[in-house]
Order: sequence, then C-alpha cells, then structure tokens
Amino acid sequence: TQTVSQSDAHVTVFEGDSVELRCNYSYGGSIYLSWYIQHHGHGLQFLLKYYSGNPVVQGVNGFEAEFSKSDSSFHLRKASVHWSDSAVYFCAVSAGYNQGKLIFGQGTKLSIKP
Amino acid sequence: EAAVTQSPRNKVAVTGGKVTLSCNQTNNHNNMYWYRQDTGHGLRLIHYSYGAGSTEKGDIPDGYKASRPSQENFSLILELATPSQTSVYFCASGGWGVIYAEQFFGPGTRLTVL
Repeated sequence: TQTVSQSDAHVTVFEGDSVELRCNYSYGGSIYLSWYIQHHGHGLQFLLKYYSGNPVVQGVNGFEAEFSKSDSSFHLRKASVHWSDSAVYFCAVSAGYNQGKLIFGQGTKLSIKP
Repeated sequence: EAAVTQSPRNKVAVTGGKVTLSCNQTNNHNNMYWYRQDTGHGLRLIHYSYGAGSTEKGDIPDGYKASRPSQENFSLILELATPSQTSVYFCASGGWGVIYAEQFFGPGTRLTVL
C-alpha cells in the first residue's frame, strides 16, 4: 500500500521569495509521482510528474520538483513566487500496477503576501 | 480544447433521495475517475473506469454506484443520499502508461444533502 504525506498544511511567503512544498511517500516498488495545483473554487490542474530518469523535473510556470529515493521525497520548488501562485498544492503517488489510481496527500495551501 | 465537464455544478438533495452526478470528457481517455474532496482528507477515490462498460471500486465506494455507458460519459450515483455524502465531487480522465500520473479534472460538483 502506498501513502503520501504533506507535512505542511499552510505555507506563507512574500511575492518574489522562493518556496519549497514538501511531499514524502511510502512504497517499495516503481512509482509515479506528480504534483497538482488547485485554485480556489476550481478543479485540480496537473503541474508535473516523475517516473524515472533525471530526478529533477520541470513543470509549468517555473515549478520544478526533485525526486529522492533515499528520502522517499518529491518536493516541489519555485525560485520566485507570484501572487497568482496562491493555491492549494497536492502531491500524488501511483504504483505502477495500479492502472492510474492516484493517492493524494492532504494538500498544502500556499499563501503569497504582497 | 480537450476538457472534462461536470453537471450539475451545485446540487441540494434530501436524505434518502437519489442523486446522479454526470461527467463528460472530450480527451478520448480510456480511464475516468470519481473523487470526493473533504477538508482534512484531500481527494479520495470513489470509483473509476477503464473504458465503456467497466467500473471499479476505489478506496471509498460504499454508498456509491458508477456507470460508464460510453467512452465520454461517467456517472456517479447515490441511490440513498445521506448527509455524510455532503462534499465536493470531482471527475477526472486519464490515459495509460507513464501518463497515468497525469489526470485532467473537471470543475467539481458541490453536493449538499439535507
């Protein structure tokens, strides 16, 4: 059984700051990892994913995430946040055999101060 | 543009009544999913489908049925709605292989059961 944990329920930074949103997972086999963004009142939008290869993956709008097998982590980062990045961010994991079933973390709300 | 649409967007139902939530996708994806989103729980998978005529139980299927009459349409049915089913419901579509991790979400349906 795979699980995913997002330890920070809420993160607040100033516009222009860098930010890292943390995600840790537990599963022993091959795994797909992804991040989604949810703006208030909307559905989730895919940001980026990792399955194999380069552990640093690039997504839309300047987001990137780094996979670490040793730490069982897939943290999301952005070098300089914009007010429009204010949203809830979800990390998701899927085991290779699960045919697309995603297990979501509880989400991290990112608030940007002007 | 490929899209996932849901209807209705808002629904108020009475306890014991039947509720049908509809989802349509123009992505030509084989896989479709129904999730519910509740504060403190993130998104949880209710039912999913691999194609027309197929439905599979997700992690929290009790009290819900699903129907996939065609590639494009996937319905979630609450035969006897209860207040505990008050939530926001999201439909999503997705493909196979390494794109498992990438799902496309609808805007959500807010269901209130009184």
